[in-house]
Amino acid sequence: DGGITQSPKYLFRKEGQNVTLSCEQNLNHDAMYWYRQDPGQGLRLIYYSQIVNDFQKGDIAEGYSVSREKKESFPLTVTSAQKNPTAFYLCATFSGDYGYTFGSGTRLTVV
Amino acid sequence: AQSVTQLGSHVSVSEGALVLLRCNYSSSVPPYLFWYVQYPNQGLQLLLKYTSAATLVKGINGFEAEFKKSETSFHLTKPSAHMSDAAEYFCAVTSGYSSASKIIFGSGTRLSIRP
Repeated sequence: DGGITQSPKYLFRKEGQNVTLSCEQNLNHDAMYWYRQDPGQGLRLIYYSQIVNDFQKGDIAEGYSVSREKKESFPLTVTSAQKNPTAFYLCATFSGDYGYTFGSGTRLTVV
Repeated sequence: AQSVTQLGSHVSVSEGALVLLRCNYSSSVPPYLFWYVQYPNQGLQLLLKYTSAATLVKGINGFEAEFKKSETSFHLTKPSAHMSDAAEYFCAVTSGYSSASKIIFGSGTRLSIRP
C-alpha cells in the first residue's frame, strides 16, 4: 500500500539536544510538508519542499532544519534553538489527484 | 490573505442527532475548501473538498458540506451522529489546488458523542 511513514511515533528530547524526525513516502508525490500541531491550534507550516534538493521556510521555521536529498524522504531536525519543541509533528505530501495526504505523526516531548 | 474560523472548539451531540460543525472563511480569491478529521494520535484524513464544482459536497462517512459564498461559510453536517464520529475536525482553505498554494487550517473542533 502507498502511504507516508513517520518515525518514531513517540520521541523524547533532552534540553539542548538535536533530534531528527523521519518522513518517508512511497506515493511518488513531488511536494512534501512538515506541520506542527499544538493543542487547541490548527496546523502550522514549518517547511515545505516542492522538488528534490529544494525547500522553503514556512511560517514557523526558526529552530528547525530539513533536507530533501531523495524524492521519498523529507527528514525534519528539531535543533536546540527551538525553545518549545513539545508538540505533535505531521508530515504530508501533495498531488493534484489526491490533494494532501498526511502521515500518522510523531509526538515529541522535552524531558 | 486567507483565514479560517471554526466556531466552537468543542461540540457535543447525542448519538443519532444532527451534527453541525461551523466554518467561516476569508479569501480575496475564489477558495478551495476542505474538511479533515483527526483521531487521537493520528494524521489528518480528508472528509471532503470543495473545488469550485457543485456547492453541496458529499464526503466519506455520511458527511456533507455546503459552500455558501454569500455567507462565506462551509459548514459540515451529518444527519445522524455515530459514536465512531468522535474526533477532531479541521476546516481548511487554500487559494489554489496545487503544491505551491498555501493551505490554512482552522483551530479545530472536537466532536463528542453522548450515548
